Amino acid sequence: EAGVAQSPRYKIIEKRQSVAFWCNPISGHATLYWYQQILGQGPKLLIQFQNNGVVDDSQLPKDRFSAERLKGVDSTLKIQPAKLEDSAVYLCASSPDSYTQYFGPGTRLTVL
Amino acid sequence: DQQVKQNSPSLSVQEGRISILNCDYTNSMFDYFLWYKKYPAEGPTFLISISSIKDKNEDGRFTVFLNKSAKHLSLHIVPSQPGDSAVYFCAASVSGSARQLTFGSGTQLTVLP
Repeated sequence: EAGVAQSPRYKIIEKRQSVAFWCNPISGHATLYWYQQILGQGPKLLIQFQNNGVVDDSQLPKDRFSAERLKGVDSTLKIQPAKLEDSAVYLCASSPDSYTQYFGPGTRLTVL
Repeated sequence: DQQVKQNSPSLSVQEGRISILNCDYTNSMFDYFLWYKKYPAEGPTFLISISSIKDKNEDGRFTVFLNKSAKHLSLHIVPSQPGDSAVYFCAASVSGSARQLTFGSGTQLTVLP
């Protein structure tokens, strides 16, 4: 069974630029999550989707971050404009049952 | 407010010995707990979980213990192998439709050959 796919794996941008990350969850998983992991910390939830609807986006900085889940499958997370403090690993996860989440390899973002 | 805490940032253990990783939580509503393992440049990999109705769950070399009264869980790895060297995160969730994971800050386990 294929795992959660994410791209790109690495991205370096300058502050105030825009960036987008893509995630393809495990086939059949209805729930999809985006996390931000800052070095030395555990992952922090940004947004949760159930099929193509948003379940919780209370932790998403909506002035600069946006996310969508296309047709209940793939998802994109966008940052516009990026700030220095957005440097982190962005992890996508999916779950078949909301109990156990399966993570992708992540995208390491560096904002200069 | 950190609801899930891993107070040991690092742990070194000799190969073949037992590794014990600890995690404390403050939210008494948590009813499902998980451990993830993370290698550098990879995403967290699910390792083992436990429901609050149990106090122990075992899977091969990995055993998770839950002490609800102390709000404490631990992961035991026996015997430890060099390939177990990774960052281990504990996570917890509350029942409900969202069931989001709250993570600890992780413990770097190094198994010495």
